[in-house]
Amino acid sequence: DTGVSQNPRHKITKRGQNVTFRCDPISEHNRLYWYRQTLGQGPEFLTYFQNEAQLEKSRLLSDRFSAERPKGSFSTLEIQRTEQGDSAMYLCASSIHSKGARTEAFFGQGTRLTVV
Amino acid sequence: AQKITQTQPGMFVQEKEAVTLDCTYDTSDQSYGLFWYKQPSSGEMIFLIYQGSYDEQNATEGRYSLNFQKARKSANLVISASQLGDSAMYFCAMREGADSSYKLIFGSGTRLLVRP
Repeated sequence: DTGVSQNPRHKITKRGQNVTFRCDPISEHNRLYWYRQTLGQGPEFLTYFQNEAQLEKSRLLSDRFSAERPKGSFSTLEIQRTEQGDSAMYLCASSIHSKGARTEAFFGQGTRLTVV
Repeated sequence: AQKITQTQPGMFVQEKEAVTLDCTYDTSDQSYGLFWYKQPSSGEMIFLIYQGSYDEQNATEGRYSLNFQKARKSANLVISASQLGDSAMYFCAMREGADSSYKLIFGSGTRLLVRP
């Protein structure tokens, strides 16, 4: 399977704990995006990377959230001191953005976080 | 402010019939893109169709077509010959600006149920 891969698929954590999610984009895709989707809503943009550079962060991304893409390949999203309001599906997407080629965003299956 | 509105929380359609899912948008940009994604119960967002604001023809992709009415700011999705596998959540989304950055703004979605 050469699509966007997200791990874990499900995570249950106690309030106050830290969690980290991983996203492996499609291999030649240089842009990577994180979205959050709460129940009954559409996804909301969190942040995106072009290669290893984080180019934009939403105001939704509080200080407890940090995302990295150290080598321009996989990315991690960490949430510190989780709160019940962090319970959501976290979606990752990737795309190609270059002078020669552009594609739509391809999404992974998401990581569903439940904070108890 | 940019906004996507999907006024149909749920829709039913008989198998083999056509169905229209409504989407209206609000933007002050002249250049923007409109997308429709399908989200089955597995969670991933599946790209269906794209319409650019300067495209003169309505977009079509197989059984999917986008009824783009720029003056009314609407971008309705038409699914012809519905199949049982079309049962899913459908999201309309917008990207503002000429850049192909995938900072998408999503609507709240429409749940489609195809009846046999």
